[in-house]
Amino acid sequence: QSTLKESGPTLVKPTQTLTLTCTFSGFSLSTNGMGVGWIRQSPGKALEWLALISWNDDKRYSPSLKNRLTVTKDTSKNQVVLRMTNMDPVDTATYYCARVWTSVTDYWGQGILVTVSS
Amino acid sequence: DIVMTQSPDSLAVSLGERATINCKSSQSVLYSSNNKDYLAWYQQKPGQPPKLLIYWASTRESGVPDRFSGSGSGTDFTLTISSLQAEDVAVYYCQQFYSTPYTFGQGTKLDIK
Repeated sequence: QSTLKESGPTLVKPTQTLTLTCTFSGFSLSTNGMGVGWIRQSPGKALEWLALISWNDDKRYSPSLKNRLTVTKDTSKNQVVLRMTNMDPVDTATYYCARVWTSVTDYWGQGILVTVSS
Repeated sequence: DIVMTQSPDSLAVSLGERATINCKSSQSVLYSSNNKDYLAWYQQKPGQPPKLLIYWASTRESGVPDRFSGSGSGTDFTLTISSLQAEDVAVYYCQQFYSTPYTFGQGTKLDIK
């Protein structure tokens, strides 16, 4: 059974950089075809895909946020880190990490609500 | 980006009746080399993360009740709940994973009539 959990600050100030960590178990990010994605959901809104890092360190980003996002992995620690710069109140959302296996997003973390406010 | 459009935005169905949700992609998500449609359906209940129901447009995830089924190919897809149960009240999303960004539809809220 694969599990994922997001951790990081729940409150950030405008212009600050958000750093979120996804710690997972039950699978390895060194397995061919495996990936970890990030998705967010503003309160009462739809899901928005942010980024994906794959087993071979291929990284993909949402074009609309590409300049603000960085995703990295530490395979030995079973962790993936998402950094988002220049945070704004419109970035207030629940941020999810999820396992992506052969392109299918199958297991999701519980999410972390990040509020951007001064 | 591939734009995913769901219809309707909300739906109310009587218990035991059929519920149908549609999803249309702005371009085909059928990968010709393996003849698979890169389309998934998720169910999200309040306060919970999305749960994968269907992938490859029609493959039911393990443990998902067989009243849930997916159909369609290319650009037009349907999620059908054959006999609505009270626990099916949720928001349903389609997602294409043909090309990044793996975009989602706007969601369809399903309630009991």
